[in-house]
Amino acid sequence: NAGVTQTPKFQVLKTGQSMTLQCAQDMNHEYMSWYRQDPGMGLRLIHYSVGAGITDQGEVPNGYNVSRSTTEDFPLRLLSAAPSQTSVYFCASSYGRTGPHYGYTFGSGTRLTVV
Amino acid sequence: DAKTTQPNSMESNEEEPVHLPCNHSTISGTDYIHWYRQLPSQGPEYVIHGLTSNVNNRMASLAIAEDRKSSTLILHRATLRDAAVYYCILSLLNKLVFGAGTILRVKS
Repeated sequence: NAGVTQTPKFQVLKTGQSMTLQCAQDMNHEYMSWYRQDPGMGLRLIHYSVGAGITDQGEVPNGYNVSRSTTEDFPLRLLSAAPSQTSVYFCASSYGRTGPHYGYTFGSGTRLTVV
Repeated sequence: DAKTTQPNSMESNEEEPVHLPCNHSTISGTDYIHWYRQLPSQGPEYVIHGLTSNVNNRMASLAIAEDRKSSTLILHRATLRDAAVYYCILSLLNKLVFGAGTILRVKS
């Protein structure tokens, strides 16, 4: 199994550009989420989804949009990139709608730099 | 969200057991205790989680205090590959809230 696949692994954007970070999982997990990790810090939750068609905001949702049209995919959209969004982004999935009752599987991350 | 307190760093010798402590005095009755670890330049990796009883799996053991206000992750024989940042996290429903974690260094 591939697990959680994130693309791209690296990206440089100019301020004001938009882009979509891709996340796909092949484990039929209902729960998916996006985190960002700034240097020397823990992860912060951006958005999460408990199933297709259902999304909700996490701790730091501003500047990001998500949608969940299929169980497998959970893309994260940056609407207008800002230098403050320079970070490493991790996608995670879990079995069941109440994700934290089971272990999470994380992707390997997308390192984003906004100049 | 309930908070956890962990030491900033710990050091262990290879082949010896490691006990990583975590305090969570404000834990609620339905919070699960999760442990993840993160190796350099990688995503977090699930280690173990539990609610009230001690838990064992192939990677580690989780000892939970009777009052649930603290827990300890036990690595039975540390290896160099166990050097990582270890996060103790309380979860409720759909959120894991990460703290700064404990940097574990393993000496050969």
